[in-house]
Amino acid sequence: KNEVEQSPQNLTAQEGEFITINCSYSVGISALHWLQQHPGGGIVSLFMLSSGKKKHGRLIATINIQEKHSSLHITASHPRDSAVYICAVDSGGGADGLTFGKGTHLIIQP
Amino acid sequence: GAGVSQSPRYKVAKRGQDVALRCDPISGHVSLFWYQQALGQGPEFLTYFQNEAQLDKSGLPSDRFFAERPEGSVSTLKIQRTQQEDSAVYLCASSLGQSNVLTFGAGSRLTVL
Repeated sequence: KNEVEQSPQNLTAQEGEFITINCSYSVGISALHWLQQHPGGGIVSLFMLSSGKKKHGRLIATINIQEKHSSLHITASHPRDSAVYICAVDSGGGADGLTFGKGTHLIIQP
Repeated sequence: GAGVSQSPRYKVAKRGQDVALRCDPISGHVSLFWYQQALGQGPEFLTYFQNEAQLDKSGLPSDRFFAERPEGSVSTLKIQRTQQEDSAVYLCASSLGQSNVLTFGAGSRLTVL
C-alpha cells in the first residue's frame, strides 16, 4: 500500500506570504491529487497531475516522479486560503481509489 | 445535477441501528467512490463502482458495510448494526472515468451514540 506523508501538519502564516506544502509517497503512482477541505465543508479538487507543473490562479502544483514528491504552492496568500490541504495518490489500480495524506491545516492570518 | 449531492448531511444513530447514506453523482459520471474520514484523519477508501458494477470493496471495514449502485447512477452506502467506531464523515466522489478529476460531495457526517 502506498504511504503518503504530508508536511507540515500545521502551518500558520501572515497574509501575503508564499506557502509551500509538501507531499511524498512511497510507491510509483499514475496521478496525484491536491484537494482543499474547508471546515464543515466538502472537498474540492484543486489539481490532478502526473508530471511537471500546473498553475491555477495563485496556486501552483509540481510533481517529481523520480523523487516521489509533490509540492503545492500558494502565492500572495490570503485568509480565505485557510483550509486543510490534502494530497492523495492514485497508485494506478484505478479501482483501488486514492490513498490520502492526513492533510496540512493552513491558517493565514490577516 | 451540478455537483455530487449527498444525503443526509448529518445523521445521529443509536448504536445498533441501521443507516443508509445516499450519493447522487454528477450525471454521466461512470466512476463512483465512497470514502470514510475519521476526525482529524485523511479519507480512507471504502469501495468503487464503475457504472453499476462494484469493482472493489476491499476498503469496507466489516460485513456490516454494504454499498450498491443498482442503476449505475445513485449509490447507497448502508451500515448495519452501527457501532461507535463507525462515527465519521462518509464522502462520495464521482468522475467521468478512472483517470479523470474527482468531484466530491459535501459528505454525510454520521455520529453513533
